[in-house]
Amino acid sequence: EAGVTQSPTHLIKTRGQQATLRCSPISGHTSVYWYQQALGLGLQFLLWYDEGEERNRGNFPPRFSGRQFPNYSSELNVNALELEDSALYLCASSLTGVATEAFFGQGTRLTVV
Amino acid sequence: AQRVTQPEKLLSVFKGAPVELKCNYSYSGSPELFWYVQYSRQRLQLLLRHISRESIKGFTADLNKGETSFHLKKPFAQEEDSAMYYCALSPRGAGSYQLTFGKGTKLSVIP
Repeated sequence: EAGVTQSPTHLIKTRGQQATLRCSPISGHTSVYWYQQALGLGLQFLLWYDEGEERNRGNFPPRFSGRQFPNYSSELNVNALELEDSALYLCASSLTGVATEAFFGQGTRLTVV
Repeated sequence: AQRVTQPEKLLSVFKGAPVELKCNYSYSGSPELFWYVQYSRQRLQLLLRHISRESIKGFTADLNKGETSFHLKKPFAQEEDSAMYYCALSPRGAGSYQLTFGKGTKLSVIP
């Protein structure tokens, strides 16, 4: 069975641009979680989507947004990129709302220059 | 609000030596505590959870509510234990949709 897949693996953007990151959950999982892993800051919770709805978000500005599609895949959009947005973005999926049973993807390395 | 603190960024031990990765938390309610591990070039994965009271790959962790700690221990370190370790907390019951992670400790086992 395929695990959580994220694309692209690496993404380089210029400050002020927009970045779109994608995540495909494990089959049967309806919840998708996004985390930011910035250098020195550890893993920080960004967003939780379930059944197509945003259920919760972490302490991030509104320029971090996303959506979940009917097939439960998800996009994370980061607008007006800033240098400090450079980080590894991890996606995880689980059965509905069971974050503690989540499986993680390999991540997308976003570099803002 | 909940918080997880891992005081050591890097911990180096010799092979065969005991290992203790420290984790302290703050949370007003009743938490569930977890340890996650990320081996080089691999995905972040769950290592163990306190409610299971299990030993995985020789690692154990005991929840000490008095000291609000959940330290990860192994009596004899192996080279393959070298990895990044994250302690995480989730509110028990309603709202358990979110994990709060510590900043992680990099364990390096010296041959």
